Amino acid sequence: AQSVTQLDSHVSVSEGTPVLLRCNYSSSYSPSLFWYVQHPNKGLQLLLKYTSAATLVKGINGFEAEFKKSETSFHLTKPSAHMSDAAEYFCVVSLSNDMRFGAGTRLTVKP
Amino acid sequence: EAQVTQNPRYLITVTGKKLTVTCSQNMNHEYMSWYRQDPGLGLRQIYYSMNVEVTDKGDVPEGYKVSRKEKRNFPLILESPSPNQTSLYFCASSLGINRDRTEAFFGQGTRLTVV
Repeated sequence: AQSVTQLDSHVSVSEGTPVLLRCNYSSSYSPSLFWYVQHPNKGLQLLLKYTSAATLVKGINGFEAEFKKSETSFHLTKPSAHMSDAAEYFCVVSLSNDMRFGAGTRLTVKP
Repeated sequence: EAQVTQNPRYLITVTGKKLTVTCSQNMNHEYMSWYRQDPGLGLRQIYYSMNVEVTDKGDVPEGYKVSRKEKRNFPLILESPSPNQTSLYFCASSLGINRDRTEAFFGQGTRLTVV
């Protein structure tokens, strides 16, 4: 069985400051890991994915995530938040199409 | 344009009145699935299909049915909707089950309210 825990349900940052959204996972095998973003009244958009290549993964809109096997973590970061980053973010662990979603982290960006 | 299309986007219905939410993808994906999203719970899988005529239950299948007669379509059927099925529903598709092909593409969502 696999599962994912997003450690913060809500993160608030000021525009221009760094973003850190934390995700820990549990899996018996080497899974694929994803971050998706959901803007209000929109579907889910893939930000980035890890499938076994480089441990530091770069995604769209300046986001990146680092796969740390020893810590079973896949935290999402961005050096400088923009107002348009305000959204809900989901960490996902996947093995053979069995996708498990975290509960989500709502990111608020203050001017 | 590659996409997953759900209809309707919004639906208000009464308890017990059968409804169908359609889902169609134009990427020739083998794998399709339905999720429901509820506050604080993330997305939970209702049903999935690995190919035509192959469907299986996800984590929360009670009260739902699906069919996969064609590769591109995967409708979600609520035979007798109840208020606890009020939720935001997403259809998703992906290439297949191999490790590097599991990136899922999601529809825009269907907000269902059962009164």
